Amino acid sequence: DIQMTQSPSSLSTSVGDRVTITCRASQSISNYLNWYQQRPGKAPKLLIYAASSLQSGVPSRFSGSGSGTDFTLTISSLQPEDFATYYCQQSYRTPLTFGGGTKVEIK
Amino acid sequence: QVQLVESGGGVVQPGGSLRLSCAASGFTFSTYGMHWVRRAPGKGLEWVAFIRFDGSNKYYADSVKGRFTISRDNSNNTLDLQMNSLRPEDTAVYYCAKGPQSWDPIDYWGQGTLVTVSS
Repeated sequence: DIQMTQSPSSLSTSVGDRVTITCRASQSISNYLNWYQQRPGKAPKLLIYAASSLQSGVPSRFSGSGSGTDFTLTISSLQPEDFATYYCQQSYRTPLTFGGGTKVEIK
Repeated sequence: QVQLVESGGGVVQPGGSLRLSCAASGFTFSTYGMHWVRRAPGKGLEWVAFIRFDGSNKYYADSVKGRFTISRDNSNNTLDLQMNSLRPEDTAVYYCAKGPQSWDPIDYWGQGTLVTVSS
């Protein structure tokens, strides 16, 4: 199985800050990497697909990069509604696997 | 708009069975693959199973293989998950989710249904 390792597992930050979350795959997954946001008590929401493509309706402050084994999600200027948990997921091969999540909290 | 509504969650004893259902609307259900994904209390997301648009192929996580069965009824736009031999570690919110193929992103998720396995 392909293991996905996210870091950090949590971070405390402020509105307006730039946030970077990294995700590493245990083997090359080309660009089959997706990012999701989950707010407490809500369903996950697709933010970025194919490593760097912005899902329709998602604000442009979200961006993704990387290929192969190393990927990054960046939020350019954190907004109050962005405090949530973020997950990466590989769709290269089944079983599909998620990273452990990064909880973004208010400092 | 796309709607995925799960039902069937509840409390069940270890070793018991439960069947989850998902009612889909707002898209052509018969042309999309579908997933079940779960989130255990205090844990992250875990993919459970996927079924192709026509039901011809099914894939499972190792943790549920042989115990869970994913199925669909394209005439009624419903997705099911039959869960047998349930264990306490299966306790989670179970989400029905849509994705064209297994290698595509999961682009819509339901709100989830809670399954609690406890004596």
